[in-house]
Amino acid sequence: KQEVTQIPAALSVPEGENLVLNCSFTDSAIYNLQWFRQDPGKGLTSLLLIQSSQREQTSGRLNASLDKSSGRSTLYIAASQPGDSATYLCAVTDSWGKLQFGAGTQVVVTP
Amino acid sequence: GAGVSQTPSNKVTEKGKYVELRCDPISGHTALYWYRQSLGQGPEFLIYFQGTGAADDSGLPNDRFFAVRPEGSVSTLKIQRTERGDSAVYLCASSQKGLAGGYNEQFFGPGTRLTVL
Repeated sequence: KQEVTQIPAALSVPEGENLVLNCSFTDSAIYNLQWFRQDPGKGLTSLLLIQSSQREQTSGRLNASLDKSSGRSTLYIAASQPGDSATYLCAVTDSWGKLQFGAGTQVVVTP
Repeated sequence: GAGVSQTPSNKVTEKGKYVELRCDPISGHTALYWYRQSLGQGPEFLIYFQGTGAADDSGLPNDRFFAVRPEGSVSTLKIQRTERGDSAVYLCASSQKGLAGGYNEQFFGPGTRLTVL
């Protein structure tokens, strides 16, 4: 059974520091991996989607890597800003697109 | 609208009552997913529709939960005899399946917060 774990559960950094968020999964037979952002009381916003054949994806200050064989993904956010404060969720998909999520990392960026 | 919409945004009900939660996916998206998110947890899969049919309902917790998508667009999640443990945020997502199948990015609605008293 697939299990997705995110470490740490919470993270607080001063503005300007780089953020490193970790995601691990137990079954490497994934179709894709997706990173989401969730603001309090809101739905999920997709940040990056990495196909299983890819090693990384980049969008602006965000970069996500994927190592399928070791069951790991890392989300890097460069030069963090207070507006980056949110909960970040990673999820792996099967071929149907069904997402299995980790519990998330709650990030606070202090001015 | 451009995104996935869900109604109502909040629903408070009493234990034992019946509720319906609605999802309007992005126009043209053939795949629709329902998830449930409890406080402090990631969303958990409930059911997946491809067109009008439920392709995978393995995440529905019991037979009090049922979902339909009669015309392949709007979907309704129905919960009978609600229990306090059903309290959660119910999220809907849609994606566009290509002709060759495979997975496309999922876009989420804002969710419905269900509170069972």
